[in-house]
Amino acid sequence: ELKVEQNPLFLSMQEGKNYTIYCNYSTTSDRLYWYRQDPGKSLESLFVLLSNGAVKQEGRLMASLDTKARLSTLHITAAVHDLSATYFCAVVSGGATNKLIFGTGTLLAVQP
Amino acid sequence: NAGVTQTPKFRVLKTGQSMTLLCAQDMNHEYMYWYRQDPGMGLRLIHYSVGEGTTAKGEVPDGYNVSRLKKQNFLLGLESAAPSQTSVYFCASWSRPVAFFGQGTRLTVV
Repeated sequence: ELKVEQNPLFLSMQEGKNYTIYCNYSTTSDRLYWYRQDPGKSLESLFVLLSNGAVKQEGRLMASLDTKARLSTLHITAAVHDLSATYFCAVVSGGATNKLIFGTGTLLAVQP
Repeated sequence: NAGVTQTPKFRVLKTGQSMTLLCAQDMNHEYMYWYRQDPGMGLRLIHYSVGEGTTAKGEVPDGYNVSRLKKQNFLLGLESAAPSQTSVYFCASWSRPVAFFGQGTRLTVV
């Protein structure tokens, strides 16, 4: 059964610093998503990673996927306060079921 | 989020009462999902559907039932609500490669 683990669960950063959030999953998948959630809001799609070695960047965020290691990373460069939110990775299970399974989330707090 | 609408947005139930949450999508997606979100636990899959007339159990299905009689609607039912079902519920619909989420339903069971 597909399990998705994220770490860290909570991350307090200073503005201007770099950091990486990790997402590990337990079974083969060729599709991984990163979402952002602001308090009291729904989920906003950030990245869709569809193949081994995929790398996508948007502003200060860069996501990558290594399907052989079953690992995705979300790298934050020169953090700013506006990036404070909860970040989730989600993985689609293989086969016909296409279950979308989420990690526990990383609460990011960027301090001035 | 455009295309996925959840009804209601807020609800307070007494223990033992029943209710139905409605998720409607207008994107002709085959796959639809119901999740619950609790602090520190991320989103956990309750039930999902791979097409009209089909449903399947997710990670935490106990205490919930679902139906997908029409492709555009996915209903989540609580037959006898319990305080442990206090949560925020999200619906999603998915067509490769993107999943779209509703705005959520905040349910409190007292």
